[in-house]
Amino acid sequence: AQTVTQSQPEMSVQEAETVTLSCTYDTSENNYYLFWYKQPPSRQMILVIRQEAYKQQNATENRFSVNFQKAAKSFSLKISDSQLGDTAMYFCAFAHTGTASKLTFGTGTRLQVTL
Amino acid sequence: DVKVTQSSRYLVKRTGEKVFLECVQDMDHENMFWYRQDPGLGLRLIYFSYDVKMKEKGDIPEGYSVSREKKERFSLILESASTNQTSMYLCASSLGGVGEKLFFGSGTQLSVL
Repeated sequence: AQTVTQSQPEMSVQEAETVTLSCTYDTSENNYYLFWYKQPPSRQMILVIRQEAYKQQNATENRFSVNFQKAAKSFSLKISDSQLGDTAMYFCAFAHTGTASKLTFGTGTRLQVTL
Repeated sequence: DVKVTQSSRYLVKRTGEKVFLECVQDMDHENMFWYRQDPGLGLRLIYFSYDVKMKEKGDIPEGYSVSREKKERFSLILESASTNQTSMYLCASSLGGVGEKLFFGSGTQLSVL
């Protein structure tokens, strides 16, 4: 069974600084997808970024980028120029390629952006 | 934008009650999911459905059942609520296909007393 591990329960970063959230996963599959989701205090989960395992190029979405290391099974999220609105829980998730492409989530990292 | 609507934001029930959590999506998505979210445990999949009347167990189905009679609606049923089912319940939907992103509802915080 696939597992997703987020080893940092909480992190803090100052506004305008850069922060990196860690995620590792375990799978025997060769082709899969990885995601980072954000859950602000409003509880609405929002997709931040998605990476396809067969693509070597790291995904980027504005201030958010990933460092995908397939051999190491590592998928970290870098947030540049952190903003107060980035304060949220961040979940790393692994998408199975089987039925319904269901997601397995990590335990989450609570990020606090401070002034 | 896709909208996933959960019928209640907060719900308080008594032990032994039968509880229905409703979820409706408005974008004709094939797949629908029910997760529960607990501090320190992340999101865990309870059940999912990839078509009308089709359902599959997730990682923690015990004590739950689901119903999908119409494509847009996916219900989670707690047959006899227990205190260990106090949790945040999140519904999600996605298009059919591999690697599709999930669209989430705002969650239902259920307290079983």
